[in-house]
Amino acid sequence: SYEVTQPLSVSVALGQAARITCGENNIGSKDVHWYQQRPGQAPVLVIYRNNNRPSGIPERFSGSNSGNTATLTITRAQAGDEADYFCQVWDSSTVVFGGGTRLTVL
Amino acid sequence: EVQLVQSGAEVKKSGESLKISCKGSGYSFTSYWIAWVRQMPGKGLERMGTIYPDDSDTRYSPSFQGQVTISVDKSISTAYLKWSSLKASDSAMYYCARQGRGGASAFDIWGQGTMVTVSS
Repeated sequence: SYEVTQPLSVSVALGQAARITCGENNIGSKDVHWYQQRPGQAPVLVIYRNNNRPSGIPERFSGSNSGNTATLTITRAQAGDEADYFCQVWDSSTVVFGGGTRLTVL
Repeated sequence: EVQLVQSGAEVKKSGESLKISCKGSGYSFTSYWIAWVRQMPGKGLERMGTIYPDDSDTRYSPSFQGQVTISVDKSISTAYLKWSSLKASDSAMYYCARQGRGGASAFDIWGQGTMVTVSS
C-alpha cells in the first residue's frame, strides 16, 4: 500500500523558516494537501493541491512538490504555528495521510 | 459561514451501540462528499469512509468496512457514523470533513470533533 513519510518533529527559531517534508516515491506526480492541527483542535487545511492557500491562510504558508518530496514551508515562524502538520494524498481511491510532524517554535 | 457541527462527546460501555452526527450548513450539503476521520489518542488521521449525501453513495476504507455504518439524512443536512457494538479500541476522536470538488481533492472543512470513550 502507498505510504508517505514525514519527520516526527521539526524545530524552528522564532521568526525563521520551517520546512516540513512529505516523502514517497514519485510523490511529485500526485496532488499533496497539508493540514495544521493545533493542540486540542480539529485539523485545518493550510495548503491544497501542492501550493494553493485556502482563504484566510497567511501567505507565510507555502508548498511545493517535486520528485520524491513535497514540502510545506512556513516563513517567519510564530508561536501560534506550533502544531502537528499532516500531509495527505490520494492513491487511487484511497486516502493516505502522513504520520504527522510536530512543529516546535523555539 | 460554511461549517460542520458535530454531536457532543459520548461515554459508552463495550457492546453498546452509538450513532454520532455531523450537520452541515452554509453550503449545498448534497453537492459535496462527507468523510469520517478517526484520530486515536496521540496518533494520526485515518479516513474511515465517505458518503455522497445526494444519493447516499458510500465508500469505506478497507480497515473500517463492516466495523461502522455511515449514513445521511439529506433533508436535515446531517451525516452519521454508527457502531452496532462498541469496543474499547473504538475510543478516539472522530471528525467529519467535507471533501472539496474535483478528483483527489482536499478536506477543506472539518467538524469540531466528537470524542468517543468506550469502557470495558
